Amino acid sequence: DTGVSQDPRHKITKRGQNVTFRCDPISEHNRLYWYRQTLGQGPEFLTYFQNEAQLEKSRLLSDRFSAERPKGSFSTLEIQRTEQGDSAMYLCASSFDINGYTFGSGTRLTVV
Amino acid sequence: QQPVQSPQAVILREGEDAVINCSSSKALYSVHWYRQKHGEAPVFLMILLKGGEQKGHDKISASFNEKKQQSSLYLTASQLSYSGTYFCGTVVGSGNTPLVFGKGTRLSVIA
Repeated sequence: DTGVSQDPRHKITKRGQNVTFRCDPISEHNRLYWYRQTLGQGPEFLTYFQNEAQLEKSRLLSDRFSAERPKGSFSTLEIQRTEQGDSAMYLCASSFDINGYTFGSGTRLTVV
Repeated sequence: QQPVQSPQAVILREGEDAVINCSSSKALYSVHWYRQKHGEAPVFLMILLKGGEQKGHDKISASFNEKKQQSSLYLTASQLSYSGTYFCGTVVGSGNTPLVFGKGTRLSVIA
């Protein structure tokens, strides 16, 4: 078991461009979560999946954000028309049901 | 709905003890505790379920007071490796909602 993998580790993009991040969870875990973290703050919930079903999406999440988890395996998070305020660390985590989360190392997004 | 953590920051000398508190205004199903070192991902420490319980993990333990909707993390005989930011995460309702994290408590252990 290699843990939760995220790709890429870093992404620098120009404002207005689209970006896509990938997360590979622990294979035995049925739940997958996306969080966003900025400096000095706790992780902020974005969305989560149980198997392939997207069960909840933060009300704070703009329509520019979309996530998928085809076949209940890996997940992708896409941000369209990026803005400078989107700059943050994007963390993916997985769990088996309501147990503790295992986080990936994150994707650091910088919008210039 | 975000839980409130206190203190925001604490500095300890090796061997000293610390308590970090987490409180919620909503009825909790469970409380998670995580530690995050600078530049790394949060690492799961322990989970406490409603019903009120206490758990231990080496010299780090935690309690959950269901009546007060509060949890406390106890670090005893602190070591340099305990340095980092500690986050509590709370789950409300039936347990099928995702974690909502507090703002964190920055712990620095010095020699």
